[in-house]
Amino acid sequence: DTAVSQTPKYLVTQMGNDKSIKCEQNLGHDTMYWYKQDSKKFLKIMFSYNNKELIINETVPNRFSPKSPDKAHLNLHINSLELGDSAVYFCASSGGRVDEKLFFGSGTQLSVL
Amino acid sequence: QQQVKQSPQSLIVQKGGISIINCAYENTAFDYFPWYQQFPGKGPALLIAIRPDVSEKKEGRFTISFNKSAKQFSLHIMDSQPGDSATYFCAASKGYNFNKFYFGSGTKLNVKP
Repeated sequence: DTAVSQTPKYLVTQMGNDKSIKCEQNLGHDTMYWYKQDSKKFLKIMFSYNNKELIINETVPNRFSPKSPDKAHLNLHINSLELGDSAVYFCASSGGRVDEKLFFGSGTQLSVL
Repeated sequence: QQQVKQSPQSLIVQKGGISIINCAYENTAFDYFPWYQQFPGKGPALLIAIRPDVSEKKEGRFTISFNKSAKQFSLHIMDSQPGDSATYFCAASKGYNFNKFYFGSGTKLNVKP
């Protein structure tokens, strides 16, 4: 019974296309995140939502738009994909207090050709 | 600008040996320092964490050493096992910033049988 599940696991697409990644958590957490892991394994936060409200929005191109229909779901839509968007995108959730641990999904490997 | 610097980038240790990974930070407002373990194809998972009011925390074979004055912390893996082979990330966060973690660049550990 997966705690944080994201789909798809692999996404291969052409430059210029629009794609979405979906994330769901069944932990009852209030806070969800999107992290990007580049080819050098560097993990960087992109967005964070708490109870459907955007609370962290890092310097991310506005081609990336998160959407949280309810606190158990946080989707990531990417418009006009570029080569540099190729990375692994991780969804995560937590209870939201500063020392609540992050529960990560297994990642979506995005390859833009 | 990377808020948390991690070294080494990769590490090879013989089975039974001690693995040591180091991290350094600049921002004295950081007050929570977790370590995450990531296996290939999986999301990172919390391994152990420490707050700056203690200098050491031990959980099984894993120990965090924390030096507040030097703004450094390290992960020690005693009696390293091949199953410990993974990428390890240190991280840091500020108390008021709602789980905005700054991750180190990761250390790929290979424990030889």
